[in-house]
Amino acid sequence: DAKTTQPTSMDCAEGRAANLPCNHSTISGNEYVYWYRQIHSQGPQYIIHGLKNNETNEMASLIITEDRKSSTLILPHATLRDTAVYYCIVSGGGNAGNMLTFGGGTRLMVKP
Amino acid sequence: ETGVTQSPTHLIKTRGQQVTLRCSSQSGHNTVSWYQQALGQGPQFIFQYYREEENGRGNFPPRFSGLQFPNYSSELNVNALELDDSALYLCASSLRTRGTDTQYFGPGTRLTVL
Repeated sequence: DAKTTQPTSMDCAEGRAANLPCNHSTISGNEYVYWYRQIHSQGPQYIIHGLKNNETNEMASLIITEDRKSSTLILPHATLRDTAVYYCIVSGGGNAGNMLTFGGGTRLMVKP
Repeated sequence: ETGVTQSPTHLIKTRGQQVTLRCSSQSGHNTVSWYQQALGQGPQFIFQYYREEENGRGNFPPRFSGLQFPNYSSELNVNALELDDSALYLCASSLRTRGTDTQYFGPGTRLTVL
């Protein structure tokens, strides 16, 4: 079972920031938070990951709470092409078999 | 573009047949993982190969098997196909390092079993 909880769907206006929440209350100390997105029938696209500190790259920002039990993915200026299913995944920690367990994800709809 | 390629793009088979799907990893990556994604669901982990050996397996029967070659390309083989095997099959490559490894996905192979 997925170790994360996400809202099923969210809407966002084009040009506005999209804030996608994720709960991962059972995360272990050496596990990372990963975000992927999947546009219809394509392979999942890696967005960003983090351990404890907030992270930012050219696609998004990741804000992780101090207790690491939740996080928020921020798309600063959403476009129509950001419409996709967004998956928050807890994984890693240096163990063998770093598998990704996908839950249902959040279906983000960016509207004009 | 992730540099991960898969072939074929689409495939149609009949129940009971066998199928081989192929994946070419991103240059420099030493780990490949395979996932099955049924329609309307998230991807499910099948197995992972690291340096040509199976290194973790999900809840899939033995008729799902794989290979990783010295150039780190990989194959997924499914024997005795069943209707429920119809799905998008995804491979992801990564570079195993200390800490964690980020997986980059290919475009997938859409398998239809009739």
